[in-house]
Amino acid sequence: EAAVTQSPRNKVTVTGGNVTLSCRQTNSHNYMYWYRQDTGHGLRLIHYSYGAGNLQIGDVPDGYKATRTTQEDFFLLLELASPSQTSLYFCASSDGDNQDTQYFGPGTRLLVL
Amino acid sequence: GDSVTQTEGLVTLTEGLPVMLNCTYQTIYSNPFLFWYVHYLNESPRLLLKSSTDNKRTEHQGFHATLHKSSSSFHLQKSSAQLSDSALYYCALSTGGNNKLTFGQGTVLSVIP
Repeated sequence: EAAVTQSPRNKVTVTGGNVTLSCRQTNSHNYMYWYRQDTGHGLRLIHYSYGAGNLQIGDVPDGYKATRTTQEDFFLLLELASPSQTSLYFCASSDGDNQDTQYFGPGTRLLVL
Repeated sequence: GDSVTQTEGLVTLTEGLPVMLNCTYQTIYSNPFLFWYVHYLNESPRLLLKSSTDNKRTEHQGFHATLHKSSSSFHLQKSSAQLSDSALYYCALSTGGNNKLTFGQGTVLSVIP
């Protein structure tokens, strides 16, 4: 089964702070995704990537940058964090076809004060 | 663009009663893939079942769903709810070649004794 890990698991920062969330997958999947989960909105796609050096814009990208440094590693960057970015963030990976299962990490809970 | 609608935010059921969680979708693509993901508390979201075949029932872990393209629906059903079924359920849609999932808002299923 796919293994996706995320760090940190919990993070508290202040408004205007700089935050990096990390994700690693060890199953050689081509695609990696960053989502945020909020009550009433479900899972919303922030950014995704189909390989090292590639970045695709998701549905709610404002205020977020992302970088895929290797096939395994995908980072989400909040350079000027705002309270509206308080959320539960999930990373996921998949092999690359439309029918493929996405495998999710354990999540990172971010609080912006 | 694509969209998924889950009309119930919360469904509360007594153990042993049947489960039906609604999911409808909108897309211009004629061959969508539909998914149900389940998110148990303190775990990662994971795939429950998926389908792209019109009018064919797909089953997994006691749950079943049938894709009906005529009504753009993919409702999740189970004959008898168990306490362990309490979780957040997401319906999701994948179309075209962009390997993205569009999620619904999610439905919390709460099963009580």
